[in-house]
Amino acid sequence: QVQLVQSGAEVKKTGASVKVSCKASGYTFINYDINWVRQAPGQGLEWMGWMSPKSGDTGYAQRFQGRVAMTRNTSINTVYMELNSLRSEDTAVYYCARKRDPSGWWFDPWGQGTLVTVSS
Amino acid sequence: SSELTQDPAVSVALGQTVRITCQGDSLRNYYASWYQQKPGQVPVLVFFGKNKRPSGIPDRFSGSTSGTTTSLTITGAQAEDEAVYHCNSRDSSGDHVIFGGGTQLTVL
Repeated sequence: QVQLVQSGAEVKKTGASVKVSCKASGYTFINYDINWVRQAPGQGLEWMGWMSPKSGDTGYAQRFQGRVAMTRNTSINTVYMELNSLRSEDTAVYYCARKRDPSGWWFDPWGQGTLVTVSS
Repeated sequence: SSELTQDPAVSVALGQTVRITCQGDSLRNYYASWYQQKPGQVPVLVFFGKNKRPSGIPDRFSGSTSGTTTSLTITGAQAEDEAVYHCNSRDSSGDHVIFGGGTQLTVL
């Protein structure tokens, strides 16, 4: 079945970087864009950006421009999200999610989430 | 506008019908999708596009749009429907995805 498996929880210091991986299986990896969404404790969902595994094209939410980078390794069906200059407000669960179809913006399935904790 | 607005909380009696709304200017041009998230769990897509429901989602979940408001309706709410419901769509430019703040549904 279609599945996204993310890397494990991370604890980082303020100012550091974190890189979260998302490994896809059960479908043709390059055919579906991957999006990243985060959720701070007790808060709603916040879209961070997308990447095309086929072309490597990316698009980032304005508030993360210059601080986030999404990359991929097609040989192992994995997408990465790196967030730099971490601050306490970046403490959140980070999800990768596959676009359900090429033309829409609905996400299905989602990875299991990766908790990133940022502290000084 | 680049915002989607949802009521923070809604309640419904068991077996009754509830409508959860999401409002935003971009909804005039773009369909929305809805996600159900139970405590400690991953969001699950329950409705999307013009009128689509993923396989495995009960047909008591339906959606509609009128003007700048899109709605998720649960007809005959069950105890297991108690969750936070998030809407998402494109922003007015069409370049980015946006989410509403989420609605906590309580089934009484």
